[in-house]
Amino acid sequence: GAVVSQHPSRVICKSGTSVKIECRSLDFQATTMFWYRQFPKKSLMLMATSNEGSKATYEQGVEKDKFLINHASLTLSTLTVTSAHPEDSSFYICSAAASGRTDTQYFGPGTRLTVL
Amino acid sequence: SQQGEEDPQALSIQEGENATMNCSYKTSINNLQWYRQNSGRGLVHLILIRSNEREKHSGRLRVTLDTSKKSSSLLITASRAADTASYFCATDLGSARQLTFGSGTQLTVLP
Repeated sequence: GAVVSQHPSRVICKSGTSVKIECRSLDFQATTMFWYRQFPKKSLMLMATSNEGSKATYEQGVEKDKFLINHASLTLSTLTVTSAHPEDSSFYICSAAASGRTDTQYFGPGTRLTVL
Repeated sequence: SQQGEEDPQALSIQEGENATMNCSYKTSINNLQWYRQNSGRGLVHLILIRSNEREKHSGRLRVTLDTSKKSSSLLITASRAADTASYFCATDLGSARQLTFGSGTQLTVLP
């Protein structure tokens, strides 16, 4: 089956630093990747849709200068949390939609970000 | 706002019993999907049901979809302790393949 990886799985950083999270589709090409954020015991909230070779589309209320997304290849999208603050602490999950497939998204295992 | 609302928010049952979770949504959909999430982990895709389907089975899972009521249910039969997890429905509205997740049901299966 299709596998999506995320790196790192956990990261702890100080306030004011930037953190980069990678999302990779390991055995398929993903034209579109999605970034979600999940607070404890809550549902997933879509942050942005990332299309290879073009600018990401951000959901309402998500600061694009705060959460930088780059989808430079068909197998890699990155999310950079810039100038992180404690309120950015969360579980970030990516998913990838295989090129040519319209229904199925494959989810990564998530990245736990803790900002001190 | 979230597309889907799920109930119950939490469900605790004994091993061997059936578990039923419900999902309601607000707008027309292309398909509806159910996912499972173990604590602190990523999502596992369970089953997808298209808008023109009414029922679908996969192993111990049974999903129904009522587009007139904009609702879906997930039934897990003969539950096991390993089924303990959070279960989310997600609607695909058909545009840009974005999924909108429901609020989730935390299922606990007691051994």
